[in-house]
Amino acid sequence: EIVMTQSPATLSAAPGEGATLSCRASQSVSSNLAWYQQKPGQAPRLLIYGASTRATGIPARFSGSGSGTEFTLTISSLQSEDFAVYYCQQYNSWPPYTFGQGTKLEIK
Amino acid sequence: EVQLVQSGAEVKKPGESLKISCKGSGYSFTNYWIGWVRQMPGKGLEWMGIIYPGDSDTRYSPSFQGQVTISADKSISTAYLQWSSLKASDTAMYFCARRAISTPWYDNWGQGTLVTVSS
Repeated sequence: EIVMTQSPATLSAAPGEGATLSCRASQSVSSNLAWYQQKPGQAPRLLIYGASTRATGIPARFSGSGSGTEFTLTISSLQSEDFAVYYCQQYNSWPPYTFGQGTKLEIK
Repeated sequence: EVQLVQSGAEVKKPGESLKISCKGSGYSFTNYWIGWVRQMPGKGLEWMGIIYPGDSDTRYSPSFQGQVTISADKSISTAYLQWSSLKASDTAMYFCARRAISTPWYDNWGQGTLVTVSS
């Protein structure tokens, strides 16, 4: 089973600032990686797939990069609605398609 | 509009059985996989298993194999997650989510079903 490790566990940032979230795979997953956003009391929402392709309706301030074992989600100019928990998920090898443990992005 | 609508919250006792549901609409139910994801209180997402309603092909995470059963009734566009004997550790929010055949990410999610197991 591929283990996904996200860092940091919690990231504090102010509105208008940028934020960089990391995700590392225990073995190569090529570009088979997705990012999801989850707000309190809500279901997760797909942000990025293929490591770098934004899902339908996702603002351009969200960008993903990386391949192999190291991935990054970057949010430029944070908006109030961006403060949430973010999960990466590999879909290179299943079952299971494992998730990372999440990064909580909180307001500084 | 694509929708996955899950059944309501459940409160059960240890040892009881349970079957929760996820009804798809707005798309061809038999052409997409439906997966189940567990989220224990205050914790992250766990991939449990997935079913292809078109032919009932089902895959389980090793962590959940034998603990739950995933099924689907394509005649009513509904997928199910069931337990034969609940434990307190099954207390969690359970989400269903859709993935296409050739695109393995989850592009639409249900609203979640909260299962509470307590004596």
